[in-house]
Amino acid sequence: GAVVSQHPSWVICKSGTSVKIECRSLDFQATTMFWYRQFPKQSLMLMATSNEGSKATYEQGVEKDKFLINHASLTLSTLTVTSAHPEDSSFYICSAGVAGGPNTGELFFGEGSRLTVL
Amino acid sequence: GQQVMQIPQYQHVQEGEDFTTYCNSSTTLSNIQWYKQRPGGHPVFLIQLVKSGEVKKQKRLTFQFGEAKKNSSLHITATQTTDVGTYFCAGDEYGNKLVFGAGTILRVKS
Repeated sequence: GAVVSQHPSWVICKSGTSVKIECRSLDFQATTMFWYRQFPKQSLMLMATSNEGSKATYEQGVEKDKFLINHASLTLSTLTVTSAHPEDSSFYICSAGVAGGPNTGELFFGEGSRLTVL
Repeated sequence: GQQVMQIPQYQHVQEGEDFTTYCNSSTTLSNIQWYKQRPGGHPVFLIQLVKSGEVKKQKRLTFQFGEAKKNSSLHITATQTTDVGTYFCAGDEYGNKLVFGAGTILRVKS
């Protein structure tokens, strides 16, 4: 199947700093990528839809200025957590779908990035 | 908005026993997908169901899509320790976004 790579896999930062997480589609082009947040033993909560060449679409309750998304190319989307605070500590996962694949809408997930804010 | 409910939240079974997780959507779906997330890992696609009443099998896993295309189930026959993980259903409401259920955590005692 298609491969989505996410980096870094884990990061620890101080409160008030910004952290950038990258999501790359390695063997396909993704015009749309999705960013999720997952708390321990909970489901995937969609944060935003990242659209190549245009602004991301944020879900209700997600702060646009805090979670900056940039989708500058067909293989790369980035999520920047600005002025991170301990409550932002979580597991962040990206996903992308393959247009024209055998399963419409099937998502391929990155490995996830575990953020810990001290 | 669309909601996808999944039960049970957690199930602990003896190896060899069967396991079932159920998923219900508040709206009619164009398709439903199932994912498995191993502890510490990321979700991996298992299957997609599109047709009303569809049943698909993958070895010991049986997936069903309800006639009304609002509910689905995943049944595992004779669980093994390798089945451990969290199983998520995800509903696609006609080209909108995928909405994930809360997931069912499966633990298998050997």
